[in-house]
Amino acid sequence: AQSVTQLDSHVSVSEGTPVLLRCNYSSSYSPSLFWYVQHPNKGLQLLLKYTSAATLVKGINGFEAEFKKSETSFHLTKPSAHMSDAAEYFCVRGGYQKVTFGTGTKLQVIP
Amino acid sequence: EAGVAQSPRYKIIEKRQSVAFWCNPISGHATLYWYQQILGQGPKLLIQFQNNGVVDDSQLPKDRFSAERLKGVDSTLKIQPAKLEDSAVYLCASSPSGTTHGYTFGSGTRLTVV
Repeated sequence: AQSVTQLDSHVSVSEGTPVLLRCNYSSSYSPSLFWYVQHPNKGLQLLLKYTSAATLVKGINGFEAEFKKSETSFHLTKPSAHMSDAAEYFCVRGGYQKVTFGTGTKLQVIP
Repeated sequence: EAGVAQSPRYKIIEKRQSVAFWCNPISGHATLYWYQQILGQGPKLLIQFQNNGVVDDSQLPKDRFSAERLKGVDSTLKIQPAKLEDSAVYLCASSPSGTTHGYTFGSGTRLTVV
């Protein structure tokens, strides 16, 4: 089955420390993968996307993600967390396949 | 470019009443999606349109939910009659054909069924 798995439902980091949000996918085809962020009571905003070009993708607000086909992973990282990064993050598989959302990871940033 | 427009932003109705949501996608986007996001969960795809044709409605509760996209532009999602468990945020998204570009989401309609 085609799926997206976000390995952590909650991640807590201190302000200024690195962020790692994990996502694994399954796909029979070369997938298009996205990370979206949702702040409380706000809509979904696209952070970055992978569409079979460069495997290291840079997004907005200092986030980046690396597509690793051998590990079927697309983890989201940021070198230094900011208080404004506290939100829920969704890994999404799309492209020419059925759109599938991961279950989300809530990021807490501790001052 | 203008974003995806949705209305209303909020709606409170009693169970068994009907309700309709409206979405205007980004101009030129062929694909339109309706998602249901229940509090604490990720969005669930209800229906996907390609122009004015339905691509995927496998998770749409067709006994009470209906959606249309006349002329391949605006779309409406209707619930009739509503149940308490329909309380959620209903998100509309659009993308250019092929969806490798990502999806642009509207701000959503928060529905409360009492």
